[in-house]
Amino acid sequence: QKEVEQNSGPLSVPEGAIASLNCTYSDRGSQSFFWYRQYSGKSPELIMFIYSNGDKEDGRFTAQLNKASQYVSLLIRDSQPSDSATYLCAVNGGGGADGLTFGKGTHLIIQP
Amino acid sequence: GAVVSQHPSRVICKSGTSVKIECRSLDFQATTMFWYRQFPKQSLMLMATSNEGSKATYEQGVEKDKFLINHASLTLSTLTVTSAHPEDSSFYICSARPGGGKETQYFGPGTRLLVL
Repeated sequence: QKEVEQNSGPLSVPEGAIASLNCTYSDRGSQSFFWYRQYSGKSPELIMFIYSNGDKEDGRFTAQLNKASQYVSLLIRDSQPSDSATYLCAVNGGGGADGLTFGKGTHLIIQP
Repeated sequence: GAVVSQHPSRVICKSGTSVKIECRSLDFQATTMFWYRQFPKQSLMLMATSNEGSKATYEQGVEKDKFLINHASLTLSTLTVTSAHPEDSSFYICSARPGGGKETQYFGPGTRLLVL
């Protein structure tokens, strides 16, 4: 059974600092990796996706993937109070036909 | 682009009744849509995969006769919770995949169901 593990937090980071969120997955055959942000009572919104080993940057966000270690991370630079949310790591087995397997999410708090 | 809508956003019903939730992709065609459920303080759990023109594929432990899925067109999938019970109260979220080789899923705003 596919599993995605995340530290539930809360992770508290001062405003302007770098927030680092981590995720591990059990299915070595996983091919696509996603980070979603979910505010309380709302549905997830896509932040980034990554398919290849290495880093992928988009604005203040950087996703990192290490398939050998089965590890995905998300860095948020210059953290803002509006970044406070639950961050969900999701994994897709590939082919696009599979639904996503989600971790339980990390609750991030950016302290002003 | 890639907007997904859901209707209704919130529904309260009596135990034993059926509730239909609609999921629409507004600006793209989706051959595949997915239905998830999220209980409080839990993560999203995939319930079923909905394919246009064919039967849905249900995840283990999800009753297909209780959660009826119809994907009648490339922009619409419906989830009907039949004979709802209080334990079915949850946040139901659909997602749609644009296709064309892209695997990113875009989520609807969710439907909060409360069964009394």
